[in-house]
Amino acid sequence: DGGITQSPKYLFRKEGQNVTLSCEQNLNHDAMYWYRQDPGQGLRLIYYSQIVNDFQKGDIAEGYSVSREKKESFPLTVTSAQKNPTAFYLCASSIALGAGTYNEQFFGPGTRLTVL
Amino acid sequence: GQNIDQPTEMTATEGAIVQINCTYQTSGFNGLFWYQQHAGEAPTFLSYNVLDGLEEKGRFSSFLSRSKGYSYLLLKELQMKDSASYLCAEDPGNTPLVFGKGTRLSVIA
Repeated sequence: DGGITQSPKYLFRKEGQNVTLSCEQNLNHDAMYWYRQDPGQGLRLIYYSQIVNDFQKGDIAEGYSVSREKKESFPLTVTSAQKNPTAFYLCASSIALGAGTYNEQFFGPGTRLTVL
Repeated sequence: GQNIDQPTEMTATEGAIVQINCTYQTSGFNGLFWYQQHAGEAPTFLSYNVLDGLEEKGRFSSFLSRSKGYSYLLLKELQMKDSASYLCAEDPGNTPLVFGKGTRLSVIA
């Protein structure tokens, strides 16, 4: 079964600790994305990657870091510099990203991070 | 920049029809998506429009007017399970989808 997996579904951390959220896809997609969603809010883009070993900042990248060492994997680290890390984090992927291409995004189940 | 506007909340009765509107502004346009998101879950794809007109898919239809920067999602024969948030997302093409804040639809008996 092809899809996107995120683990864990729920994560608790103490304030001041870095935490890494995993995202894996076996859809053979080139592009991957990380979004943050807060109650009553839409999806806000944190980082995205169009190809292995390359990534770009989204609208709210401060306090986050990513890596893209493998096509299948796009982990997100929430650092202690992120002022309000408690949120629902969604990872997504698409076949590619570009003008004239079909850019439907497929989403993982999400990780709900709570910082105590 | 890109600005997606859609109503925050709507309520409709089981069996009725509801229309959720979305307006967008962009200098580049590659298509418009609608996603459904149940509380605590991931968004799932509903529809995609790139040309003007109506795309029908079962109980759900989506309309696009590129000249007006306007789309709507039409849900017919509403069921309780349709209670969810509906996200409008504009595809600029060379950069990731831009999502609206979503419209929370409550279906009541």
